[in-house]
Amino acid sequence: DAMVIQNPRYQVTQFGKPVTLSCSQTLNHNVMYWYQQKSSQAPKLLFHYYDKDFNNEADTPDNFQSRRPNTSFCFLDIRSPGLGDAAMYLCATSKGQGKETQYFGPGTRLLVL
Amino acid sequence: EDQVTQSPEALRLQEGESSSLNCSYTVSGLRGLFWYRQDPGKGPEFLFTLYSAGEEKEKERLKATLTKKESFLHITAPKPEDSATYLCAALTSGTYKYIFGTGTRLKVLA
Repeated sequence: DAMVIQNPRYQVTQFGKPVTLSCSQTLNHNVMYWYQQKSSQAPKLLFHYYDKDFNNEADTPDNFQSRRPNTSFCFLDIRSPGLGDAAMYLCATSKGQGKETQYFGPGTRLLVL
Repeated sequence: EDQVTQSPEALRLQEGESSSLNCSYTVSGLRGLFWYRQDPGKGPEFLFTLYSAGEEKEKERLKATLTKKESFLHITAPKPEDSATYLCAALTSGTYKYIFGTGTRLKVLA
């Protein structure tokens, strides 16, 4: 089945220790998104790639970076995680940006000690 | 400012007790309205997309409707397995962004 896959499902890191979350998709979609979701809150868009074009949200901290080496994979790098970065990180894809449905992965729960 | 508001925040129903969840939106042009189901600790699961006022979509016990200002998710004769958080999102014409609501946490009691 075509899908969006995120690894790992749970990630524990130490305060200030860089961490990378990964996302892969078999849908062959052009757009990949990273969202941060905290408990009982709406998903918050961090950035997205349309093909190789990177689009950063204005309020995304510099601490968050992303890479998309090819169509299938996208990575979220948190350079120096703080306690406030503990959250669920969701990867999503869409075919384009017209009227497209977003499809989400299972998420990675990040815990910062 | 683009905004999506969902109500109620939480809803408890007895099994078989039908109800509706509301998603009100104020956006600069609507390209699509999306409903998702999210179980605890998991990513949102796609349910429906609605594109124009008057449109309706149905799947099992769920029915989504759309007007020019809001969308409803009707749940008919719910079962305990329908317990989840239901999220709606509006895709805006101006910025091509998906604006999410904070969700309705539904609990269906057996």
